Amino acid sequence: ELKVEQNPLFLSMQEGKNYTIYCNYSTTSDRLYWYRQDPGKSLESLFVLLSNGAVKQEGRLMASLDTKARLSTLHITAAVHDLSATYFCAVDIITGLNYGGSQGNLIFGKGTKLSVKP
Amino acid sequence: DSGVTQTPKHLITATGQRVTLRCSPRSGDLSVYWYQQSLDQGLQFLIHYYNGEERAKGNILERFSAQQFPDLHSELNLSSLELGDSALYFCASSRRLYQETQYFGPGTRLLVL
Repeated sequence: ELKVEQNPLFLSMQEGKNYTIYCNYSTTSDRLYWYRQDPGKSLESLFVLLSNGAVKQEGRLMASLDTKARLSTLHITAAVHDLSATYFCAVDIITGLNYGGSQGNLIFGKGTKLSVKP
Repeated sequence: DSGVTQTPKHLITATGQRVTLRCSPRSGDLSVYWYQQSLDQGLQFLIHYYNGEERAKGNILERFSAQQFPDLHSELNLSSLELGDSALYFCASSRRLYQETQYFGPGTRLLVL
């Protein structure tokens, strides 16, 4: 069974400081996604990481993927209040018999709730 | 705005009842996925349709069913509702069958009393 674990689950951040969220997954997957969810809202796609060593950056967020370690990180640089939200990582299942080797549905971590305080 | 629409936004009903949730994917997307989000279970995959055909099932109860119509919209039917079915139900869509970013709709918040 594929498991996706995020830590920490809660993170209280100070404005201007740097933080990292970790996402570990338990089986082979070559595609990892990061989503953001504001309270009571939908999920917004942030990044898709497609291969080992992939790094993507958008503003103060940078995501990376190490498929050998089955680990992705989401690094936050100089946190600001606007980044307060819950961040989810997700992987899709690889089953060899399916098209492209992926079954398509996403397995999500429990989410990391970020709160940025002044 | 992801381009995925869901109706209704909120639904309050009683135990034992049946409801239908509706999802319209982004224009051109052929895949529709349904997810359930609850405090205790987190985000769980329910079912995936591609171009009208069921492609994968996740933790979907037998009381729940779904279909995708020729115009590609999808409906999730929940019957014999229980208190524990109260949750946020999302649909997501993507253009192809697999290995693409999924774009999520605004969700339907279901409350079973």
